[in-house]
Amino acid sequence: GENVEQHPSTLSVQEGDSAVIKCTYSDSASNYFPWYKQELGKRPQLIIDIRSNVGEKKDQRIAVTLNKTAKHFSLHITETQPEDSAVYFCAARFMNSGYSTLTFGKGTMLLVSP
Amino acid sequence: SQTIHQWPATLVQPVGSPLSLECTVEGTSNPNLYWYRQAAGRGLQLLFYSVGIGQISSEVPQNLSASRPQDRQFILSSKKLLLSDSGFYLCAWSLPGLAGGQYFGPGTRLLVL
Repeated sequence: GENVEQHPSTLSVQEGDSAVIKCTYSDSASNYFPWYKQELGKRPQLIIDIRSNVGEKKDQRIAVTLNKTAKHFSLHITETQPEDSAVYFCAARFMNSGYSTLTFGKGTMLLVSP
Repeated sequence: SQTIHQWPATLVQPVGSPLSLECTVEGTSNPNLYWYRQAAGRGLQLLFYSVGIGQISSEVPQNLSASRPQDRQFILSSKKLLLSDSGFYLCAWSLPGLAGGQYFGPGTRLLVL
């Protein structure tokens, strides 16, 4: 079945450093890849997404890259700040009996130290 | 703009008791609706999704069920809760078809004792 692998599970960086989270997916037909940020005790929030016809997308300090051939995509956060500390989830859209659903990675806990 | 509501926010229930969690969406029509569970730890497990009134697809066989009695209302139920049902239950919506991402509600924290 569909599968999304996410690495690392935990990532600690110093404030101002960059952080990179990587995901791979199994279904080559997947065409939509969102990233979510979940702060402690809160709901996951969609922070950026990319579609399969685009290789890279940026929004201020965050960017996502997609390599369809290798079936992997990555989240890049530059100039990290303590408020970036959270759990980040990648996801890939899969078709399932004619409907689309998202399959999520297991999450990366990012800790940014001042 | 669209908003999604869930209630209750927190719930403590004894083993064997029934469950009813409700989710409603405002500001959109014919949304796709989803129920997820997030157990202690981090993973998001898709439980049910719905593309229309009365149309429910189950991802994981268990003692939970879902219903969609109205276009923008999604209900998660159980007749008898198990200890393993404890977790953070999240409802989400997306636009119909293949457009865009999913947007989560504030969630319900369920503790089964």
